[in-house]
Amino acid sequence: EADIYQTPRYLVIGTGKKITLECSQTMGHDKMYWYQQDPGMELHLIHYSYGVNSTEKGDLSSESTVSRIRTEHFPLTLESARPSHTSQYLCASSERLGNTIYFGEGSWLTVV
Amino acid sequence: GQSLEQPSEVTAVEGAIVQINCTYQTSGFYGLSWYQQHDGGAPTFLSYNALDGLEETGRFSSFLSRSDSYGYLLLQELQMKDSASYFCAVRDRGGQNFVFGPGTRLSVLP
Repeated sequence: EADIYQTPRYLVIGTGKKITLECSQTMGHDKMYWYQQDPGMELHLIHYSYGVNSTEKGDLSSESTVSRIRTEHFPLTLESARPSHTSQYLCASSERLGNTIYFGEGSWLTVV
Repeated sequence: GQSLEQPSEVTAVEGAIVQINCTYQTSGFYGLSWYQQHDGGAPTFLSYNALDGLEETGRFSSFLSRSDSYGYLLLQELQMKDSASYFCAVRDRGGQNFVFGPGTRLSVLP
């Protein structure tokens, strides 16, 4: 059973608001990821981290930012939400050389 | 870069066997993984193949042919709860990140 948690699970916010999606894992994994996924569609990597103070942008351009100050914590921030940001955001983690990626339950964001 | 192809949809009846194929193009290969995702849920790991051949885990099996850049997920004795999307995934060129296929939506009918 994977121990990776995301909050909030569901959120509706207005355009222009700032929002931070929280992600924490208790497995001590070095690597963490954020994926964006629309219902029934592909997973798109938007950010990843190899460890503390390491963050990189993924394949999908995103207006969000991330930070990795502690191993277990990898929050994602949208400075000014727009309706185009409406989607599911999945946080994940893996061991440095692991072959398995563990996902959180996801955060469903709706921007109105 | 990496690209993966899967059928978009597969439909089968309870008790049947279904095979979901995945072909990939990568500049480096570190193994093929499969994930299951139910509607509204998160992807969960099913299997991983690093070497050619068949790996069996209960009703699910996964196969890999590195020479053909091809793999498949085999689901036997289908149950209604198997209705979900199934994603194949490979590591990217540096072996650091996971790249997912577009997903195959499996519908199991009674």
